[in-house]
Amino acid sequence: GAGVSQSPSNKVTEKGKDVELRCDPISGHTALYWYRQSLGQGLEFLIYFQGNSAPDKSGLPSDRFSAERTGGSVSTLTIQRTQQEDSAVYLCASSFLSGTQETQYFGPGTRLLVL
Amino acid sequence: AQSVTQLDSHVSVSEGTPVLLRCNYSSSYSPSLFWYVQHPNKGLQLLLKYTSAATLVKGINGFEAEFKKSETSFHLTKPSAHMSDAAEYFCVVSGSYNFNKFYFGSGTKLNVKP
Repeated sequence: GAGVSQSPSNKVTEKGKDVELRCDPISGHTALYWYRQSLGQGLEFLIYFQGNSAPDKSGLPSDRFSAERTGGSVSTLTIQRTQQEDSAVYLCASSFLSGTQETQYFGPGTRLLVL
Repeated sequence: AQSVTQLDSHVSVSEGTPVLLRCNYSSSYSPSLFWYVQHPNKGLQLLLKYTSAATLVKGINGFEAEFKKSETSFHLTKPSAHMSDAAEYFCVVSGSYNFNKFYFGSGTKLNVKP
């Protein structure tokens, strides 16, 4: 079976433009996470979706960031009015929510560069 | 609140010598702990995880980690480093109240010298 996929793999945009990053989780995985990894930094939690529950948005750095998960599968992370400090690798991960601590499976990431 | 501290941002060892990557955590309850590895330009891969079973956990590629509650540590070790082990390693703890929320350490970059 396929792993977590993300698109695009690289995105270069101009400051002030909006971008959309896509994540396709592993089929059947009910939990989906977005993280940000800035150069030389660890992973920063952004948001996660857990089944049909309301998403945990506590990690979103500003209201320019939002995410959706349609049909319990594909997720889109949107960054509006991008700033240079948004440049980072955005990682998506999914896991099978079974009530115990489950392993996350990571996608390859989208490398975002804001000029 | 949960947090993870990776005590060394960089570790350098010679090929064939032991590896020790240190991790300390804080958690209100018995946590689940993970080590992930990230090779250059590759995705994150799970090395091993501790979920309240045996305190000594064996993972892939000869790595293992020992959960020590008294020391709140979960250090990653390998008896003999290989060049292919050069990568960045992340220690991760799960949330106390929400087991599916994860907290990552800042990472340790392992350099292996020939």
